[in-house]
Amino acid sequence: EDKVVQSPLSLVVHEGDTVTLNCSYEVTNFRSLLWYKQEKKAPTFLFMLTSSGIEKKSGRLSSILDKKELFSILNITATQTGDSAIYLCAVRYGGSQGNLIFGKGTKLSVKP
Amino acid sequence: EPEVTQTPSHQVTQMGQEVILRCVPISNHLYFYWYRQILGQKVEFLVSFYNNEISEKSEIFDDQFSVERPDGSNFTLKIRSTKLEDSAMYFCASTTSGGEYNEQFFGPGTRLTVL
Repeated sequence: EDKVVQSPLSLVVHEGDTVTLNCSYEVTNFRSLLWYKQEKKAPTFLFMLTSSGIEKKSGRLSSILDKKELFSILNITATQTGDSAIYLCAVRYGGSQGNLIFGKGTKLSVKP
Repeated sequence: EPEVTQTPSHQVTQMGQEVILRCVPISNHLYFYWYRQILGQKVEFLVSFYNNEISEKSEIFDDQFSVERPDGSNFTLKIRSTKLEDSAMYFCASTTSGGEYNEQFFGPGTRLTVL
């Protein structure tokens, strides 16, 4: 059965801390891995990773994929209260339609 | 910036009633999706739609569900006879291509409450 597992499920840190969120997967015919940030409603896109070892970076956020060990990490440095959200990992798999299978998410709370 | 829109934002219905959830995907997108998220659980794939037909559907998407693109802009999800367990947030998403190099853009969701 295809699955995406995220850890930890929740995390509480203080502003300025650095956090690492984990995502491991087992899917048939992996195509790409995506990270989303979900605050109140719709998931908003952060990164898409298709190749191993190439870091994607956007400001204080970065992510990398390891296709051999079947996992990805999302790093957030110098966290701010605005980073508080649920971070979703999703894997695009299978045929040509690009359907996504999601993990349960990591709920990050950043305290002032 | 173009975005996916969904209406209504919240729908309350009685068990057994039919509901139609509406989505307007981004205008040049070709692939459309419905996902749902039961409170406290993960986002789950329901169905993908391309070229006016269903491309793939999950085991959740049974005979009570149907999708339609009635005109050039709307993409709807119909639940024929709602059950209590259909209560969830329903997200519509769209993308230009189904391939691995395109992100899916999500709408803000419709919260469906079945009483």
